[in-house]
Order: sequence, then structure tokens, then C-alpha cells
Amino acid sequence: DIQMTQSPSTLSASIGDRVTITCRASQSISSWLAWYQQKPGKAPKVLIYKASSLESGVPSRFSGSGSGTEFTLTISSLQPDDFATYYCQQYNSYFLFGGGTKVEIK
Amino acid sequence: EVQLVESGGGLVKPGGSLRLSCAASGFTFSTYIMNWVRQAPGKGLEWVSSISSSSSYIDYADSVKGRFTISRDNAKSSLYLQMNSLRAEDTAVYYCARFVVVTAVLDYWGQGTLVTVSS
Repeated sequence: DIQMTQSPSTLSASIGDRVTITCRASQSISSWLAWYQQKPGKAPKVLIYKASSLESGVPSRFSGSGSGTEFTLTISSLQPDDFATYYCQQYNSYFLFGGGTKVEIK
Repeated sequence: EVQLVESGGGLVKPGGSLRLSCAASGFTFSTYIMNWVRQAPGKGLEWVSSISSSSSYIDYADSVKGRFTISRDNAKSSLYLQMNSLRAEDTAVYYCARFVVVTAVLDYWGQGTLVTVSS
């Protein structure tokens, strides 16, 4: 079975910082990786699909990259609305989520 | 506007049963693969089950296989999850979510319904 390892689990950052979150798959998943943002008490919201495609309506400060087994989500300039938990997700006949990265205020 | 509204959550004793429902609107429900995803308190996301548009393909996470049953009624634009033999570890918020095949993402989610399994 594929394993998804997301790091770091917690990240402290300031407004305006560039933030990078990593997701590693235990075997190649091509580009079938998505990123979600979740705020407390709310459902997840998709940010990125197919590793690097920006979902409609998502600010351009979010970007994704990678293929195969290593992927990154980058927030180019952290905004107050971006403090949340981020999850990667792969799809290979079933869904598997990473453990999550909580982005906190430094 | 796409909407997914879950209902049916609540407090149930270990070994008990519960049936969750998800009412869909704003899109052609019968053409989408639908899913249940859960999130235990303070924990991450866990996929539970998927059902194809015609109900011909169904899959479950190992953690719920044999205890949970997913179903849908396309005429009513509704998705269901019958949960039997519930355990404490099934305590979670349960979300229904729509799957988009071409992008392989869950693009719309409901607000979730809380299931608490406790004596």
C-alpha cells in the first residue's frame, strides 16, 4: 500500500513569509496529488490538483510542484487567512491523505 | 450552487448502528462518484467509502469493511452510509464529498455530521 508522509506537522510563520510544505509518497503516484486547506470546524477546500494546477478561485500565492514521489505546496507570501491546516491527498483507486500540516502564527 | 448536506449523526453506544444521509443539490448527482470521508476529533482526514454513479462500483477502507454500507438513491439525489457494529474509534465528523474524475479531487464537501460512539 502507498504511504503518504507530510512534513512538517506544524509550522510557525509570520505574515509575508514564504511557506513550503512537503508531501512524499512511498511509491510513484505520477502527478495524482491534490492539496487541501482546512480551517477549524470547516470542511476541507481544494487548492491544487494534479500536483500543480490551481483550483478555480484560489489565490495565485498558492502553488504546487512535484511528480513521482515528492511534492510541495508553496505559499509565496503568507496572509492572515492562510493560517489553517493543509493536507495532501493522492488518488490511486482509493483516497489517501497525508497527516496534515498546521500553519500557525509565529 | 452545489450543496451537500449531511444528517443523521449523533450519540450511539458501542455495537450500535446509525444511518447517515447526504442530500445533494445544484448538480447532476447521478453522474458523480460520491464518497464519505471522516475526521476523528483533533485528527486528520480518513477516506471511508466510495460509490460509483450507478452504484456498480463500491469500495471501503479496511477499517470499516464488513461493518459499513454505502448506498445512493439517484432519484432523490441522496447518499447514505449505514454504520453497524460501531466502535469508539468510529467517533468522528463524517463528510460526504463529490469526486471529479478528471482532476482526481474531492471538489465539494458537506459541512459534516458528528458521530460519537460512547457508552
